[in-house]
Parts: sequence; structure tokens; C-alpha cells
Amino acid sequence: EVQLVESGGGLVQPGRSLRLSCEASGFSFGDYGMHWVRQAPGKGLEWVSGISWNSGRTYFAGSVKGRFTISRDNARNSVYLQMNSLRTDDTALYFCAKDKGIFGLSGLDVWGQGTTVTVSS
Amino acid sequence: QSVLTQPPSASGTPGQRVSIACSGSRDNIGGNTVNWYQQFPGRAPKLLIHSNNHRPSGVPDRFSGSKSGTSASLAISGLRTEDEADYYCATWDDGLNGALFGGGTKLTVL
Repeated sequence: EVQLVESGGGLVQPGRSLRLSCEASGFSFGDYGMHWVRQAPGKGLEWVSGISWNSGRTYFAGSVKGRFTISRDNARNSVYLQMNSLRTDDTALYFCAKDKGIFGLSGLDVWGQGTTVTVSS
Repeated sequence: QSVLTQPPSASGTPGQRVSIACSGSRDNIGGNTVNWYQQFPGRAPKLLIHSNNHRPSGVPDRFSGSKSGTSASLAISGLRTEDEADYYCATWDDGLNGALFGGGTKLTVL
């Protein structure tokens, strides 16, 4: 079964850091780009970051650039999102998602169930 | 406010055809393919249409997508009560060098 499972969310104070993980199974992880997408409570989807299959290219939304980094370990079938200098407006459900084909263009065809990040003092 | 503009809501009755528009610019829709997602409350999004007008396996042919210039559209024919969900368009933006989602459209089936 093709699956993505996120972990690492939780309650954190503003200014602190958190690292999200996403473990993949059921497909050839190293062949595909991966992304993080978030959804604030009651709001729409916001793309956060993406990484190419070989980590050669990484991309970030303007709202997180300079604060978040994305990485992957193809041997562990995992992608990570390191979130630093967290702000209250980073509070959201964070989804991990797989590229269908061409990076950033073919759509995200597999999604995890998400992990919740709450930034509050 | 999203760079990709969608109507916040749409509605129709069972059996009707409804369309949801997504408006962008030359940097995003104008130069790249558009994808559509369906999301039910409390659930992860699901890829509904990719590459402007292609349906992933398992998506009914009642759903179709199109693109013209800097706009795209999702059409749902033979509307069903189970189609009531949020719908998002998405694409890549060459100027921002990142992906974009539209603000989402809440579809109500009356």
C-alpha cells in the first residue's frame, strides 16, 4: 500500500524549533520529488516547500524562506522539514505529499494524514 | 489573498453541471500546467485533475479540467451529493519559484 506517515508535530513556543518527519512506503521513494503543504485551522491549502528526488533542488514559500529547511534521506524513505524561528501563524496541519511525476507540475498524488503544529506561548 | 483566484463558494442541485474557475497570471497558469484537488472536511486532499485535463485512475469522468491562457476551470457534470467538498486549483509560479494553491472553493450540493 502506498502510504505517507507524518510525525513530529506538537505544541511549541514562538521562536522555538520543530522538526517534522514523513516516512514513505509502497513506492520507489527515491524516484520522486516530495513536498510539504500546510493548512491553518479553517483555512485553505498553502504549499510550504518541495525537494527534488536527489535533493539537488529545494524550494520554499516566501512565508517560510530563511526559517524552514527541507531534506530527505532516500535510504530511510523519509523527508524532513526543519522549522526554526516558529511564529504563531505557522500553526497548521502539515501534510507531506508526493510528486506524481514532473517536479512541481504533475500534481501531488499521494498525501499523508498530516501532523499538527501549534505555535503558542 | 491568493495569487490564484477562485470563487469562495459554488452550488448546484443533483444532476446539474457546475464549473469552478481559477484565475492566475502569465507567471503561473499562463506558463504551467494546472492541477485540481478535492478535500473533504478532516481529510487529506485528493488529486482530482492533473496536467490541466487528465484524471488519475479512479476519478469519475464526471470531473473534467480545462485551461485557456491564464485561467483554468474544473467542471463537474451530473452533480452528486457526495461531491460536496472543497476544491483547490494549483500550479507552479515561475516568478515566485514555488507552487501555489488557489484559495479554494466550497461546493454545496443543494
